[in-house]
Amino acid sequence: GNSVTQMEGPVTLSEEAFLTINCTYTATGYPSLFWYVQYPGEGLQLLLKATKADDKGSNKGFEATYRKETTSFHLEKGSVQVSDSAVYFCALSDRTGFQKLVFGTGTRLLVSP
Amino acid sequence: SAVISQKPSRDICQRGTSLTIQCQVDSQVTMMFWYRQQPGQSLTLIATANQGSEATYESGFVIDKFPISRPNLTFSTLTVSNMSPEDSSIYLCSVGGEAGGSYNEQFFGPGTRLTVL
Repeated sequence: GNSVTQMEGPVTLSEEAFLTINCTYTATGYPSLFWYVQYPGEGLQLLLKATKADDKGSNKGFEATYRKETTSFHLEKGSVQVSDSAVYFCALSDRTGFQKLVFGTGTRLLVSP
Repeated sequence: SAVISQKPSRDICQRGTSLTIQCQVDSQVTMMFWYRQQPGQSLTLIATANQGSEATYESGFVIDKFPISRPNLTFSTLTVSNMSPEDSSIYLCSVGGEAGGSYNEQFFGPGTRLTVL
């Protein structure tokens, strides 16, 4: 079945450091890929998405590129801020299961001043 | 994107009782979903709420434990029945991307934090 694997957290960084959160997936066909963010005490927000190979999703300085050859969708940001502290979830949507989302385990990011 | 509200935002319940969670969307949507997020865990899909017909449950979830209603295109309820402490989780509803996004996006409500004693 479909699955998403994320690097374990927490990831602890200083402000302005470079961020990478790894995400790999297993799926049949050509899934759509997503990053969701959950700030403390809040619900999930869609951060960015990519729907086909080599697509790059970007938002709020975050980027992720859909790499079919390595089945990966790593999240990156060049300079993190304290306000980026949150839990980040990688997810996929299999086109055969209409809009069903399969989530990774989530990675907690802690950014210190 | 759609504005999604959930009631209650949190509750503390006694074991053996039931709680009904409401999800309201500010626009008509075809697809509505219910997820569970256990403490420190990821999200797991419970079921797809179908308007006018029975919900479609994922493996490991049954209608007797999690009955769902979907009376129209803007509203759904999830009931957690005969609760035990293992049901302590955040329950989230989401809607399909037709509500302001592309077809394969989902937008989430703020969640209901349930604690069962």
